[in-house]
Parts: sequence; structure tokens; C-alpha cells
Amino acid sequence: KAGVTQTPRYLIKTRGQQVTLSCSPISGHRSVSWYQQTPGQGLQFLFEYFSETQRNKGNFPGRFSGRQFSNSRSEMNVSTLELGDSALYLCASSRDRAKDGYTFGSGTRLTVV
Amino acid sequence: DQQVKQNSPSLSVQEGRISILNCDYTNSMFDYFLWYKKYPAEGPTFLISISSIKDKNEDGRFTVFLNKSAKHLSLHIVPSQPGDSAVYFCAPVQSGAGSYQLTFGKGTKLSVIP
Repeated sequence: KAGVTQTPRYLIKTRGQQVTLSCSPISGHRSVSWYQQTPGQGLQFLFEYFSETQRNKGNFPGRFSGRQFSNSRSEMNVSTLELGDSALYLCASSRDRAKDGYTFGSGTRLTVV
Repeated sequence: DQQVKQNSPSLSVQEGRISILNCDYTNSMFDYFLWYKKYPAEGPTFLISISSIKDKNEDGRFTVFLNKSAKHLSLHIVPSQPGDSAVYFCAPVQSGAGSYQLTFGKGTKLSVIP
């Protein structure tokens, strides 16, 4: 069974630009979450979507946004990129049962120069 | 304010011995506790979970113990194998909040020495 697919795997952008990252969850998983991993802050929650609705949002500025489509695929967007946005962005999907946790994709490595 | 603390950034263990990874938390509303393993440049992989109504859960070589009164949990790996070398994250969930947001600790890097 296919896992969580994130595209692209690597991305280099310039400060001030915007970027869109894509995530295809495991078939049947309706919950999708996004996390940012940096060396200094570790893994931090960005937002969670369920049935096209944002169910929860982490403590990130409004430059970070996301959405979920009717087929559960999700995108996240970062506008006006800053150097500090350089990170590994991870998407995870779930059947929406806490004990099962989430299945993570391999991530998108974003570098802002 | 760190809700989840993994106070040992790294741990080295001889192959075949037991690895014990610890995690402390402050939020008493957490009701599920998950452990993830992560290799560099990959996403975390779910290992094992435990509900707050239990004090132990076992899956093969992995056992998680939960002490609710102390707000402490630990992951035991027995016997440790070189392939277990990775970063391990403790990630509690507050499912009653209507969302399954994972709150990650900073992780413990486990090195299993052959």
C-alpha cells in the first residue's frame, strides 16, 4: 500500500518568494497534518486538516497556510519566505484514531537563500 | 514552555543490551503517548503507543511504560540492535481536544554499538 507522498523532495527558494508544498495521504486517511523540523526547535506542529476543514493550528505566523481537497490531498503555502523558514516540512496522515498516531511522509527539504 | 521533555539528547548502548529512553510531560490532559523513530532525511516512523489508562504496552522488542502520577514514560528496547540506531521521539496526544496534534519532545539519539 502506498505511503504518504510529499512533493517536491527538495526545494531552493529566494527570500521574499512564496512556495507551495504538496502531500498525498494514504488512501482512506482523512486527517492530514503538517510539521516543521528545524535543528533548533525540533518538530513543531503547523496545522491539521480533516474533511477539508482546518481543525487545529500551531503557533506560526499567518504567512503559513494550508488547505485540504475533497480527495484528502493537502497543500501548504508559505508566503514572503524568510531565511528562518529553511526546514524539513513533514506531512502526516491518519485514520483519525489517536492510538494509531500518524504516518509521515519523507518530507520536503526547503532551503531559503 | 516545553510540555514534553526528553532530557537525554543522546544514548549509547552495546548491541544485545537494553536501551531505555525517557520522556517527561507536564500536560495532564494528554491521553495517548506515542513513540516515533527517525532516520536522517526521512519522516518519523511510528513505533508503539500507550493509552493513559494503561501502564504498560509491549510489541516485540519494544515496551513502553507509563507512570501517570509522575508524568513520566519510558521506552525499553530489548535486545538492542545496530539497526535501532536513530533518533527517538516521544509524542503525546490530547485526543479529547478534537484534534490529534502530536507534541514532540526534542528527541534522543540512540547509538547501538556492535
